[in-house]
Amino acid sequence: DTEVTQTPKHLVMGMTNKKSLKCEQHMGHRAMYWYKQKAKKPPELMFVYSYEKLSINESVPSRFSPECPNSSLLNLHLHALQPEDSALYLCASSQEGGFNQPQHFGDGTRLSIL
Amino acid sequence: DAKTTQPTSMDCAEGRAANLPCNHSTISGNEYVYWYRQIHSQGPQYIIHGLKNNETNEMASLIITEDRKSSTLILPHATLRDTAVYYCIVKEGAQKLVFGQGTRLTINP
Repeated sequence: DTEVTQTPKHLVMGMTNKKSLKCEQHMGHRAMYWYKQKAKKPPELMFVYSYEKLSINESVPSRFSPECPNSSLLNLHLHALQPEDSALYLCASSQEGGFNQPQHFGDGTRLSIL
Repeated sequence: DAKTTQPTSMDCAEGRAANLPCNHSTISGNEYVYWYRQIHSQGPQYIIHGLKNNETNEMASLIITEDRKSSTLILPHATLRDTAVYYCIVKEGAQKLVFGQGTRLTINP
């Protein structure tokens, strides 16, 4: 069982829809992450939040908009996505403070764009 | 790009020790080696990490060479549930995990 909870588990949306992915953790972690994983590929980092502030954006297109409303919650707002955005979206969290802190992952939201 | 290289795939018999190698010849002095695994349709699961000393926990052991240019993850008594993709990662900075292609480990009955 994972301590990082992601909802929904599956999402199908059209290219004109707006939807949001949600991630929640109650481990007191102050860093939260979004990753994207295409089929048969490794996860790739998208965004990092540290103490509820965006600290890393890996040049992600603006149709993906992250939000960290509090230290336990992380959202990813989706708008006008393309078919190539279909992927598994993974959330992770860690204690802040760097090199010696493992990230803990949720089981992801599998997104399909029609 | 990932700083690690791993074999694409490995097989191991159930009940035997699985030894997964990883090369990280460009690792810097303060960079940790992390191991994760990903079972089909799940998120990556943290296994273990280390800096220079060998580490052991309830899941596995991590052996890091003295020059820190390579490491080996050891699953002491592999079971069918250990079949997964295993990622060896050198953490880049405080927050970046850059995943390589990993090793697909298959445990055979």
